[in-house]
Amino acid sequence: EADIYQTPRYLVIGTGKKITLECSQTMGHDKMYWYQQDPGMELHLIHYSYGVNSTEKGDLSSESTVSRIRTEHFPLTLESARPSHTSQYLCASSEVYSSGGAETQYFGPGTRLLVL
Amino acid sequence: AQSVAQPEDQVNVAEGNPLTVKCTYSVSGNPYLFWYVQYPNRGLQFLLKYITGDNLVKGSYGFEAEFNKSQTSFHLKKPSALVSDSALYFCAPPSNDYKLSFGAGTTVTVRA
Repeated sequence: EADIYQTPRYLVIGTGKKITLECSQTMGHDKMYWYQQDPGMELHLIHYSYGVNSTEKGDLSSESTVSRIRTEHFPLTLESARPSHTSQYLCASSEVYSSGGAETQYFGPGTRLLVL
Repeated sequence: AQSVAQPEDQVNVAEGNPLTVKCTYSVSGNPYLFWYVQYPNRGLQFLLKYITGDNLVKGSYGFEAEFNKSQTSFHLKKPSALVSDSALYFCAPPSNDYKLSFGAGTTVTVRA
């Protein structure tokens, strides 16, 4: 198992609440990612970061925001949760190879979010 | 840019039988190709990857994959499947800007 952690593992929350999903890695990886996945379905990249103070939007538009103040920490925030945000959120990290594109991504266990 | 296709949504095999999960690719230049597995209620785990060199790549949990340039394939194989291999398997290439691109995957069910 990789050293990447996500909390909480499960979250049930009401509409309109602000939530932050935590992701931390102890591998010193520069690159970090957030994916959104509905059960048994494909992963959609929603945010990524190349390092401290770097954040980019992914391929799937998301109302969430991210920050990267420290290398090991990449939290995701929803200012006002809605039922449409119900999904699984997976965090990943990777080191940087000189041959770009060959990096292995290491995933956390995921956070299952249910917005009522 | 690279893309892959996993032609089978589901694969069902009996325990002890060989397991093959198919992946074909479309790339310009030399491809990088990855296999990941997702067990129920878990995050993805890296199985193996092809960068360059030997066409037969050995990975975790007894899995291997063969890179076949003439058939543009990178099928995942295991000689003898276990019930615990039941999971969702993803073949992934790097997309533009070297982010991994995951499709819908293949659900493998191994029956006892």
